[in-house]
Amino acid sequence: DAKTTQPTSMDCAEGRAANLPCNHSTISGNEYVYWYRQIHSQGPQYIIHGLKNNETNEMASLIITEDRKSSTLILPHATLRDTAVYYCIAEGEYGNKLVFGAGTILRVKS
Amino acid sequence: DTGVSQNPRHKITKRGQNVTFRCDPISEHNRLYWYRQTLGQGPEFLTYFQNEAQLEKSRLLSDRFSAERPKGSFSTLEIQRTEQGDSAMYLCASSLRASGGPKTQYFGPGTRLTVL
Repeated sequence: DAKTTQPTSMDCAEGRAANLPCNHSTISGNEYVYWYRQIHSQGPQYIIHGLKNNETNEMASLIITEDRKSSTLILPHATLRDTAVYYCIAEGEYGNKLVFGAGTILRVKS
Repeated sequence: DTGVSQNPRHKITKRGQNVTFRCDPISEHNRLYWYRQTLGQGPEFLTYFQNEAQLEKSRLLSDRFSAERPKGSFSTLEIQRTEQGDSAMYLCASSLRASGGPKTQYFGPGTRLTVL
């Protein structure tokens, strides 16, 4: 599975869009990009995943660059409840485990 | 709620005791995973099952750890002769294995183990 690199922490004003970047320059063609988040003392929560195309669901949007070497998770209107650690993971179609890095601590401030 | 459930949510034990945790996956999911998370770190993979078969085990899973999924439904993770270093959050996840495409894992709330 490809290694991912994320900033250690980010701040965002409540109500503004939060844009969380992730680099995965060694990603292979069959590896999906997954995003999870973890609020203190809870299990990781699945947010979204994508392969090549941009994706959107009720929680977030995922923008993947054309060369697939990086992606951005967008929370369109961040709330205080979005404060969490966000993990970007590249996992193959046949992958059997998720390899978590340190993630990005997102602090949403009022 | 039909998500992944884990019991107990918290367990405090004394060093040297045995503990067992249970995970109930999402009902139609045939894959079940165990992870461990220590303070300040991301979750680390321990093992996974496809139906009742245990297909992969991490080096983190010492011989004091054993996991079972006897009928391909719920799973148990047992730690024998607990050590203080076993103190962690133990997370369970499940996914649906289908031919082709991603196999999104959904996590339970975790069991927090404290070894005194």
